[in-house]
Amino acid sequence: AQTVTQSQPEMSVQEAETVTLSCTYDTSESDYYLFWYKQPPSRQMILVIRQEAYKQQNATENRFSVNFQKAAKSFSLKISDSQLGDAAMYFCAYRSWGNTPLVFGKGTRLSVIA
Amino acid sequence: DVKVTQSSRYLVKRTGEKVFLECVQDMDHENMFWYRQDPGLGLRLIYFSYDVKMKEKGDIPEGYSVSREKKERFSLILESASTNQTSMYLCASRWVGTEAFFGQGTRLTVV
Repeated sequence: AQTVTQSQPEMSVQEAETVTLSCTYDTSESDYYLFWYKQPPSRQMILVIRQEAYKQQNATENRFSVNFQKAAKSFSLKISDSQLGDAAMYFCAYRSWGNTPLVFGKGTRLSVIA
Repeated sequence: DVKVTQSSRYLVKRTGEKVFLECVQDMDHENMFWYRQDPGLGLRLIYFSYDVKMKEKGDIPEGYSVSREKKERFSLILESASTNQTSMYLCASRWVGTEAFFGQGTRLTVV
């Protein structure tokens, strides 16, 4: 079974600085998807970024980018120019191809200090 | 915009009650999911459905059942609620091959 590990239960960053959230996963498959979701205090889960394993290029969405290391099974999220609105729980998730569910890590709570 | 709607944001029920949590999506998604979220444990899969009347057990199905009679609606049923089922419940849906969209969550308290 696939597992996802987020080793940092809590992180903090100064406003306008950069922070990196770590995620590792375990799988024997070669084709899969990886995701980062954000859950603010409103509880609404929001997709931040998505990466297909077959793509070598790291995904980027505005201030959010990933460092995908397939051989190391590592998928970290970098948030640049951190804003107060980035404060949230961040979940790393894995999914195989087809009708398969997301497998989540335990989450990292990010605080942004003004 | 995709909309996944859970019937209640907060719910308080008594031990032993039968509890229904409803989830409706408006985008004709094939797949629907129920997760439970607890502090320090992340999101754990209870059940999922990849089509109408189809269901699959997730990691923690004990004490729960589901129903999917129509494509847009996926119900989670607590047959006899217990205090250890006090939690946040999240519903999600998606087309095959895309990301999942989540409802706003139901915080259930069993007293």
